[in-house]
Amino acid sequence: GEDVEQSLFLSVREGDSSVINCTYTDSSSTYLYWYKQEPGAGLQLLTYIFSNMDMKQDQRLTVLLNKKDKHLSLRIADTQTGDSAIYFCAETPYSGAGSYQLTFGKGTKLSVIP
Amino acid sequence: KAGVTQTPRYLIKTRGQQVTLSCSPISGHRSVSWYQQTPGQGLQFLFEYFSETQRNKGNFPGRFSGRQFSNSRSEMNVSTLELGDSALYLCASSQAAGDYGYTFGSGTRLTVV
Repeated sequence: GEDVEQSLFLSVREGDSSVINCTYTDSSSTYLYWYKQEPGAGLQLLTYIFSNMDMKQDQRLTVLLNKKDKHLSLRIADTQTGDSAIYFCAETPYSGAGSYQLTFGKGTKLSVIP
Repeated sequence: KAGVTQTPRYLIKTRGQQVTLSCSPISGHRSVSWYQQTPGQGLQFLFEYFSETQRNKGNFPGRFSGRQFSNSRSEMNVSTLELGDSALYLCASSQAAGDYGYTFGSGTRLTVV
C-alpha cells in the first residue's frame, strides 16, 4: 500500500493561497520534505521540516506538521503562475546500516489559473 | 557551487541492450541515491551508495546495478533492457544519508524501444 498519500490535483487562482496536504506513515522520519518538479526537470527541494517542529515558515511557504495524525501540509501564499508544478511530499524511513531513503507520495499537480 | 550532474540527459535504447548512467554529486557529498520515476509507479528508490559501498537497495530486479567511485561519482547500469525500463532516472546526493540536504540532478530520460 501507499506509504505517503497526497491528493493528485489542486487548482487555484493566481493570488490565492494553495494548501497541499500529505499523510505519511513512518513516525521515525527525522526530516519530512517538500519537493517541486516542473515539466521535464528534476526535483527541486522546496523546504523541509525537522520532526520535532510543528511549523516552519520560509518566505511564501509555510509547512505544518501534525505528528500525532502523521499529517504534513504545505501552504503557498500569493500563488503565482510560476508555482504551477507537481509537488511531492517525502518521508525518510531508516533502512538500516546507516542508510535512509526518500519515500515519495504520487505528487500533487498544482494548476494556477491567471 | 556546481549541482548534481547527470549524463546523458536523454537516451534511446533497444530492448535487450544495456545502458550505463552517470551521476556526479555535489562536491563534498558522499551519499548518492538513485530513483526511478514513471507515470504509473511514481518515484521509486533504486539504491544508495556511501563511501563506495551499497548500503541499501530497493525492490528492483538484479538487472539494475550500480557502483560508486572513490571520488563519490556513481554509475548505474541496467542490463537486458525491457520496455518497462523507460523512465526518468534521478540521482540525489547528500553529505550523509539522513542529512536534510538531498539535492537532485535533472535526471536521465531513458526510452527503450
